[in-house]
Amino acid sequence: EVQLVESGGGLIQPGGSLRLSCAASGFSVSSNYMSWVRQAPGKGLEWVSVIYRGGTTYYADPVKGRFTISTDNSKNTLFLQMNSLRAEDTAVYYCARAPLEGLPFDPWGQGTLVTVSS
Amino acid sequence: SYVLTQPPSVSVAPGKTARITCGGDNIGSKSVHWYQQKPGQAPVLVISYDSDRPSGIPERFSGSNSGNTATLTISRVEAGDEADYYCQVWDSSSDHYVFGTGTKVTVL
Repeated sequence: EVQLVESGGGLIQPGGSLRLSCAASGFSVSSNYMSWVRQAPGKGLEWVSVIYRGGTTYYADPVKGRFTISTDNSKNTLFLQMNSLRAEDTAVYYCARAPLEGLPFDPWGQGTLVTVSS
Repeated sequence: SYVLTQPPSVSVAPGKTARITCGGDNIGSKSVHWYQQKPGQAPVLVISYDSDRPSGIPERFSGSNSGNTATLTISRVEAGDEADYYCQVWDSSSDHYVFGTGTKVTVL
């Protein structure tokens, strides 16, 4: 079964750092394009970052320079390192697979909540 | 950056047809995907490549895309279709993914 399971969310103070993980099963993260998508409370979906098969990465403007996406192919896991966190980064963070650029996100993980607050 | 605009809400009676629009500059030249999200759940793909239904999605869900507007149509609406719906494209000029603003479908 193709599945994604996120972990690592929690309460963090502004300016702090957090690393999210997304464990994949049923497919290889190294053979797909993997993304992070977030959703602030009561708001819509916002794409955050993508990592391509060859390791090329792209970021949405609000997180560029603060977030880093990566994979550990030996653990078949996707990561999101989040630094210099701000209140506006508070959201449920989902990981999702898209086999190639332009293809739809499917499947999605269940999400992990990140709350940035003092 | 590329922007996708959806109506905030659509209300429809059971058994009727709901149409959700997604507006974007020359969106007809892009592939549009649609997701359904119920409260407390992750999004689920309901239409890919403008009009393709993934396995397990009822035939009541259909899509179209032309010009500056893509449309998700839900026929014979059921209470279980009540959810938020998002359109999404990939912007090749920036290698960024873009989501629409989202539409809440309410079944009366």
